[in-house]
Amino acid sequence: NAGVTQTPKFRVLKTGQSMTLLCAQDMNHEYMYWYRQDPGMGLRLIHYSVGEGTTAKGEVPDGYNVSRLKKQNFLLGLESAAPSQTSVYFCASRTTGQGIANYGYTFGSGTRLTVV
Amino acid sequence: GIQVEQSPPDLILQEGANSTLRCNFSDSVNNLQWFHQNPWGQLINLFYIPSGTKQNGRLSATTVATERYSLLYISSSQTTDSGVYFCAVGWGGGADGLTFGKGTHLIIQP
Repeated sequence: NAGVTQTPKFRVLKTGQSMTLLCAQDMNHEYMYWYRQDPGMGLRLIHYSVGEGTTAKGEVPDGYNVSRLKKQNFLLGLESAAPSQTSVYFCASRTTGQGIANYGYTFGSGTRLTVV
Repeated sequence: GIQVEQSPPDLILQEGANSTLRCNFSDSVNNLQWFHQNPWGQLINLFYIPSGTKQNGRLSATTVATERYSLLYISSSQTTDSGVYFCAVGWGGGADGLTFGKGTHLIIQP
C-alpha cells in the first residue's frame, strides 16, 4: 500500500520553463490537494479536487494549473516557471468522510522545486 | 478564513525532557491533525484529533474544541523528535483542505 506518491522528488527549472508534477494515490480517495511550503511557513493550499474531472482554487492558485482526469491522479502544472515558485510541493488526499469518523489527510513525501 | 496560531515558535530541549506544544484556532473545526516534519522534509501524520485525548507511545494530544485549542505532549524527548511540528485544522464536512499553522521548530540536544 503505497499511499500518496509524488514524482519527481527534485527538479531544477529555468525561468519560463514549464513542468508537471504528478500525484498518485491508491486509497480510492475522492479528495486530492496540492500545497506549497515556503521556508518558515506552514503549508498553503494551491488547488484541490473533489472528484474526477473537478478542480477548485485554494489560497495561492496564481501561476498554477491542475487536472484530475483520473480519480487516482492529480497533476499540478507550471506553464511559465518563476523564481517565486521555488518551494516544496506536497500532495495530499482524503476520503469524503460520508458516514466515516476519520477525515484524516494523507500526504506525499514532497517535491523540491527550484526555479533559477 | 480560519486562523491557526502555534506556540512556541522555537523550542530547544535536552534529551529526556518533556514538552508541550500549543495550537489555537479561531473558528469551529471538526478536523484537527498534528504532523511532524522530519529534517528530511517528510510530513508524518501524528494524530487525527478533532476532540478528546489520544496517546501513541511517548506522544499524546488533547483537543478542547469548545475552547478552540489543542496541545501536543512529548515526553522523554529523543534526538529523533527534532523537527517541525505542525497543527492543521479544517472542516471535515467540506472539501476545501486544511489550514496550517506556522509550526513549532523543536530541537532536542543530546
